[in-house]
Amino acid sequence: QVQLQESGPGLVKPSETLSLTCTVSGGSISSYYWSWIRQPPGKGLEWIGYIYYSGSANYNPSLKSRVTISLDTSKNQFSLKLSSVTAADTAVYYCARDIVAVGATWSVRGAFDIWGQGTMVTVSS
Amino acid sequence: EIVMTQSPATLSVSPGERATLSCRASQSVNSNLAWYQQKPGQAPRLLIYGASTRATSIPARFSGSGSGTEFTLTISSLQSEDFAVYYCQQYNNWPPWTFGQGTKVEIK
Repeated sequence: QVQLQESGPGLVKPSETLSLTCTVSGGSISSYYWSWIRQPPGKGLEWIGYIYYSGSANYNPSLKSRVTISLDTSKNQFSLKLSSVTAADTAVYYCARDIVAVGATWSVRGAFDIWGQGTMVTVSS
Repeated sequence: EIVMTQSPATLSVSPGERATLSCRASQSVNSNLAWYQQKPGQAPRLLIYGASTRATSIPARFSGSGSGTEFTLTISSLQSEDFAVYYCQQYNNWPPWTFGQGTKVEIK
């Protein structure tokens, strides 16, 4: 059974870079697309971006200038970096697996069937 | 960017009753629509994808319908564990994939 676990600092100072890692267990990271999604306290969900085994990533245009998602297949991990953070970036950050495997054609990608438990990141000095 | 609008914001329902949640897209998303359930302190859980296909292990009391711009999630007989926030999400047009603002289903 595939499980995801986010890790990283819970507190980041304004203007610095938020860095999080998602560890995939119970399955290969090379088989699916992997996303980061965030949720500010008391608010809705915002998709940040995705990556897959080739290292190719795509981002939400609203965050694209500040976001980098990368992949380490040897560790079965993928990571998020968000630069120049402000209080508006305070949120629970989730990693999630796409329902569609790489190469599959039965559906378009973009729905998420497995999620990590989430990690709260606060931006504050 | 496609805007997803959910209604109502809050739905008060008695256990055993039917709940009907709506989701509207600002332009057609075909059937590329998912529904998630989120309980306090937990990650979202996929309920429905492809507008009407139940995800693995989701009870039959959850059903989804619609296509294009209008979608519905129906919970046929609310159980105590169904009181939560529900989100719709389109994955037809990207970037970005977008979520609705959520409907809270509370005990009446």
